Amino acid sequence: DSGVTQTPKHLITATGQRVTLRCSPRSGDLSVYWYQQSLDQGLQFLIQYYNGEERAKGNILERFSAQQFPDLHSELNLSSLELGDSALYFCASSVGGQGSSGNTIYFGEGSWLTVV
Amino acid sequence: AQTVTQSQPEMSVQEAETVTLSCTYDTSESNYYLFWYKQPPSRQMILVIRQEAYKQQNATENRFSVNFQKAAKSFSLKISDSQLGDTAMYFCAFMHYYNNNDMRFGAGTRLTVKP
Repeated sequence: DSGVTQTPKHLITATGQRVTLRCSPRSGDLSVYWYQQSLDQGLQFLIQYYNGEERAKGNILERFSAQQFPDLHSELNLSSLELGDSALYFCASSVGGQGSSGNTIYFGEGSWLTVV
Repeated sequence: AQTVTQSQPEMSVQEAETVTLSCTYDTSESNYYLFWYKQPPSRQMILVIRQEAYKQQNATENRFSVNFQKAAKSFSLKISDSQLGDTAMYFCAFMHYYNNNDMRFGAGTRLTVKP
């Protein structure tokens, strides 16, 4: 158990709909990351938040958005869903900042999203 | 941009044998971190081992060890005494030392341990 909690674990929804994925980082971690892993694909970095502020953006679509709340949990919002959005979405966390201990990222178990 | 290359899409090894997974990376930085993550069929991403570029000593975690060649930009993972539970996808990853966002992953190597 990495200490990163993601909900829901599985989600099936129709095209055009909107879903929200939730993530609670490990206790003490300030950074939250979102990654997308399509079937048989590697991990694509979507976005990172550090202590409530957006730190970096990767290959995140405009239909997707995220935020990190004062209690440090994060939500990834996916809207106008398409079949191609079906994937495993990982949340990960780290202490953040510089230093060796801060730069290890721990992953949650992922949220399986199926768009039908 | 940093790139991470895993040139072996699939590998197999007999139980109790040793296997080495290859990883090369490209960067102009001198300080950075390298990681190996394991993704079993459950799809969970599990940290296997971490190496700081400024450390010359190779990292070791039980049966897992790395061969870090900084000049060659090579970071291979050696699994000794392979077990059936080691069957998984293995991803090599690179991260900046001063900026821990956007960790770059390789495409992965699918390892099968045969009984």
